[in-house]
Amino acid sequence: GGIITQTPKFLIGQEGQKLTLKCQQNFNHDTMYWYRQDSGKGLRLIYYSITENDLQKGDLSEGYDASREKKSSFSLTVTSAQKNEMAVFLCASSRQDQDTQYFGPGTRLLVL
Amino acid sequence: QQKVQQSPESLSVPEGGMASLNCTSSDRNFQYFWWYRQHSGEGPKALMSIFSDGDKKEGRFTAHLNKASLHVSLHIRDSQPSDSALYFCAANYNQGKLIFGQGTKLSIKP
Repeated sequence: GGIITQTPKFLIGQEGQKLTLKCQQNFNHDTMYWYRQDSGKGLRLIYYSITENDLQKGDLSEGYDASREKKSSFSLTVTSAQKNEMAVFLCASSRQDQDTQYFGPGTRLLVL
Repeated sequence: QQKVQQSPESLSVPEGGMASLNCTSSDRNFQYFWWYRQHSGEGPKALMSIFSDGDKKEGRFTAHLNKASLHVSLHIRDSQPSDSALYFCAANYNQGKLIFGQGTKLSIKP
């Protein structure tokens, strides 16, 4: 088995602030993902990475940057937080693409 | 743009009853359908995947795929209070990218 750890659990930011979310996995999976979950909507893919130093844009990449410096970690940066923004950011990993994705518990973002 | 539509938005089922959730793809070029379940405050967890026409059973959960109608369903028999959660259908259209539906909120009433 393995686990995905996301930090922080809660993140409160100010409008215009740059915010970084971190994700670590010990499954030794090749592929990692970042999703955004808004209330009443499904998960939307922001970025994914099929191997270390690889980055692929999802449908919601505008306003975000990502970084995969090593196999076990994947970071997401909100480049300029939007006022009243509230969402849950979920990190996931899979052995390879098309395999089962395993999700972390999420980072809850609130922008004041 | 490929989309996955789920119905109903919410569903209430008595304990011990059968829950049926539905999902339709906008595009027939899918490879797999997945069902994920998310309990409050947690990340989603995969229940099962299906890619062939017909039924796939795992314990109390049965998925049914009809490729001709681009429709997949999930049936939960003998529903338990612990089955209360948000259920997502997702489709694999391209490598590594899952498109998720909006979710169905299932409540099991004791």
